[in-house]
Amino acid sequence: QKEVEQNSGPLSVPEGAIASLNCTYSDRGSQSFFWYRQYSGKSPELIMSIYSNGDKEDGRFTAQLNKASQYVSLLIRDSQPSDSATYLCAVRWGNYQLIWGAGTKLIIKP
Amino acid sequence: DAGITQSPRHKVTETGTPVTLRCHQTENHRYMYWYRQDPGHGLRLIHYSYGVKDTDKGEVSDGYSVSRSKTEDFLLTLESATSSQTSVYFCAISGITGANVLTFGAGSRLTVL
Repeated sequence: QKEVEQNSGPLSVPEGAIASLNCTYSDRGSQSFFWYRQYSGKSPELIMSIYSNGDKEDGRFTAQLNKASQYVSLLIRDSQPSDSATYLCAVRWGNYQLIWGAGTKLIIKP
Repeated sequence: DAGITQSPRHKVTETGTPVTLRCHQTENHRYMYWYRQDPGHGLRLIHYSYGVKDTDKGEVSDGYSVSRSKTEDFLLTLESATSSQTSVYFCAISGITGANVLTFGAGSRLTVL
């Protein structure tokens, strides 16, 4: 059974602080990992993808991948109220499918 | 949601009635997907398509069927709706080989009474 686990939250972070979101996955052979953001009542949108061990930075976002420990994380620096959303972790399985975590709800407090 | 539209956006129906949700894309993408999203669950794949008339089952396909007669349209049909199929349904497209970057439609909220 392919599984992706996330803490459902909510995770409350003060404005300007670093938000850290974590995700673990069960399939050791997984090669592609994604973070999507979903605002309430909206559809998910891709914010980061990562394929290799280590860090990948894009603006205020950093994705971190550790395949040996089977976890992927997302750091959001200088958190803004507009970052308040649910963050979904997804892991590619085979050619066509993604396995999704249930999401972590992030609340940025002004 | 540019390039991908879902219809209807909201629907209320009764148990036992057939329901069809439509996904239309203007991106000419090869891959199309239907997901459902329920509280406490991640997105769960219902069916997907990797070309015209090429479809396959996802992890929660029971009670659902799909058709793709044209590149731009992917239809999801509930032959006989049940209350357990009350959910938000998302269509997604991908133009890259396999399931990499997905672009989602705005979603269709279905309530089965």
